[in-house]
Amino acid sequence: QPALTQPPSASGSPGQSVTISCTGTSSDVGGYNYVSWYQQHPDKAPKLVISEVDKRSSGVPDRFSGSKSGNTASLTVSGLQAEDEADYYCSSRAGSNGYVFGTGTKLTVL
Amino acid sequence: QVQLHESGPGLVKPSGTLSLNCAVSGDSISRGNCWGWVRQPPGKGLEWIGDVCYTGATTYNPSLKSRVTISLDRSKNQFSLTLTSVTAADTSIYYCAKSPGWYKIDCWGQGTLVTVSS
Repeated sequence: QPALTQPPSASGSPGQSVTISCTGTSSDVGGYNYVSWYQQHPDKAPKLVISEVDKRSSGVPDRFSGSKSGNTASLTVSGLQAEDEADYYCSSRAGSNGYVFGTGTKLTVL
Repeated sequence: QVQLHESGPGLVKPSGTLSLNCAVSGDSISRGNCWGWVRQPPGKGLEWIGDVCYTGATTYNPSLKSRVTISLDRSKNQFSLTLTSVTAADTSIYYCAKSPGWYKIDCWGQGTLVTVSS
């Protein structure tokens, strides 16, 4: 299955908000409320940030929020902090084919 | 707290078979959850390979299905990945992962780099 589409990069200054989009189809993002977001720092394993569209994982600050409209899901990081600089990947259920990941977005805190 | 640890050869020859194990501590693989693999070519994005649930049921990425087997070893509390007929395109960091359901991965191994080269 094709990867979900994310912008290659996003950026914001400390304290600002940034939103990362994740676009799929009615067979994945649009068809299920099973969108997750992962944060990956350099040379580290990914870490679950958001699951089931808008549920924050344990220990994740409430600055992170998720939403979905149609075939596009979004991750918003409010009050940007330096430690938020990382790669972010969305994923979705892909019917009987398991999961599909997004192409990834590099978030830079200016 | 569940911990996952990958092990296996870091170098595999082209046309050979890639085999990795993932040791699980802090939980029993037979008690619940699905256990799977995700890979990431150096500098690139994540690709889901497949998983096996505690029942033994498997799901694979359609693009890899003909070459992949994921299985449980209940006696050792570990699960494994086998990928046949490898090429340089299979060079990646391979992560083992735990999914409690709801199509999310809530625990990851540290990852192991496997290079396909002669």
